[in-house]
Amino acid sequence: AQSVTQLGSHVSVSEGALVLLRCNYSSSVPPYLFWYVQYPNQGLQLLLKYTTGATLVKGINGFEAEFKKSETSFHLTKPSAHMSDAAEYFCAVSDRYWGGKLIFGQGTELSVKP
Amino acid sequence: DVKVTQSSRYLVKRTGEKVFLECVQDMDHENMFWYRQDPGLGLRLIYFSYDVKMKEKGDIPEGYSVSREKKERFSLILESASTNQTSMYLCASSLSGLAGGPEETQYFGPGTRLLVL
Repeated sequence: AQSVTQLGSHVSVSEGALVLLRCNYSSSVPPYLFWYVQYPNQGLQLLLKYTTGATLVKGINGFEAEFKKSETSFHLTKPSAHMSDAAEYFCAVSDRYWGGKLIFGQGTELSVKP
Repeated sequence: DVKVTQSSRYLVKRTGEKVFLECVQDMDHENMFWYRQDPGLGLRLIYFSYDVKMKEKGDIPEGYSVSREKKERFSLILESASTNQTSMYLCASSLSGLAGGPEETQYFGPGTRLLVL
């Protein structure tokens, strides 16, 4: 069965600093991986996804993630944090053979200090 | 523009009440999903549907049922609400049908925050 672990329920960075949110997955088949963002009082919005091909995936708002099969990781990064990046971030893996059910990690709340 | 709407942003109900949460998507998507979101637990799948009148249990279906009479509408029903069902409920939809497409993006509604007293 697939699973996702996000390391750190809260991450705090200063404005302009590197953002690194960690995600490790477990999957018996090649995974499809997703990062979603949830701003306060809103639903989830897709940041980026990995399906096949290039392992470095670029998303919206300057975020990117790299699929590393050997490390079973899909960490999310952004070179320079902005105040507007403060939100909760969810990593998810798709249940590849059952039509796209998503298994989510516990979420990481990102705070950005001025 | 993709649109998933949920009937209420906030609901307060009493223990034992029957509760209906409605979700509508305007994208002609085949797949629809209901999740609940709790702090520290992420999102957990309650039920999903690949087609009209079709439903499948997710990871935590106990205490819930669903209905999908039309393609665009997916309802979550709490037959007899309990305090442990106080949570944020999120609806989502995606394009692909039963044949595949797990790479498809799921689009989420804004959520319904339910409080059961």
